[in-house]
Amino acid sequence: DGGITQSPKYLFRKEGQNVTLSCEQNLNHDAMYWYRQDPGQGLRLIYYSQIVNDFQKGDIAEGYSVSREKKESFPLTVTSAQKNPTAFYLCASKSRGGPAEQYFGPGTRLTVT
Amino acid sequence: GQNIDQPTEMTATEGAIVQINCTYQTSGFNGLFWYQQHAGEAPTFLSYNVLDGLEEKGRFSSFLSRSKGYSYLLLKELQMKDSASYLCAYNRDDKIIFGKGTRLHILP
Repeated sequence: DGGITQSPKYLFRKEGQNVTLSCEQNLNHDAMYWYRQDPGQGLRLIYYSQIVNDFQKGDIAEGYSVSREKKESFPLTVTSAQKNPTAFYLCASKSRGGPAEQYFGPGTRLTVT
Repeated sequence: GQNIDQPTEMTATEGAIVQINCTYQTSGFNGLFWYQQHAGEAPTFLSYNVLDGLEEKGRFSSFLSRSKGYSYLLLKELQMKDSASYLCAYNRDDKIIFGKGTRLHILP
């Protein structure tokens, strides 16, 4: 079945450690996105990529990094520079030139203590 | 969200109708989305309006007025499973900008 996977669903880290969240899709979508959601809040865009080997900062990129070496994969690294990393992280993808809606992965809930 | 306003919470009764409003301000606009999100889960797509007017899809309908920067989501024959957050979002170039969402509570 085609879809987007994120793993793990829950992730715990100590403060000061970098952590990488995975996002894989087999929908053959060109564009991929990372969002962060805090309790009672909407989705805020961290980074997005429209094509392999290219990505752009979203509204809250500070303290995060990404790579897009393969079309299927768009991992997000939460660095120790991110002041409030505890949040629900959602990955999404969409087809460029196709339907406008984004397809979301199940999300990773990251807790940093 | 950026320049998107929607009520924080609403309450309605099972079997009733509810309308969730959304206003937005943006210099670039390609279309307006509505997503449903249950607690702890990913958003799921409900509708996408590009042109003015009402689009109906089963129990859910979505309306758009581009000149007024206004949209609403209409939910009919409410069911308990409709208890969720409803996110309004606009499409600008290759980005989707989300509002903070409206949490809808359904009472039996």
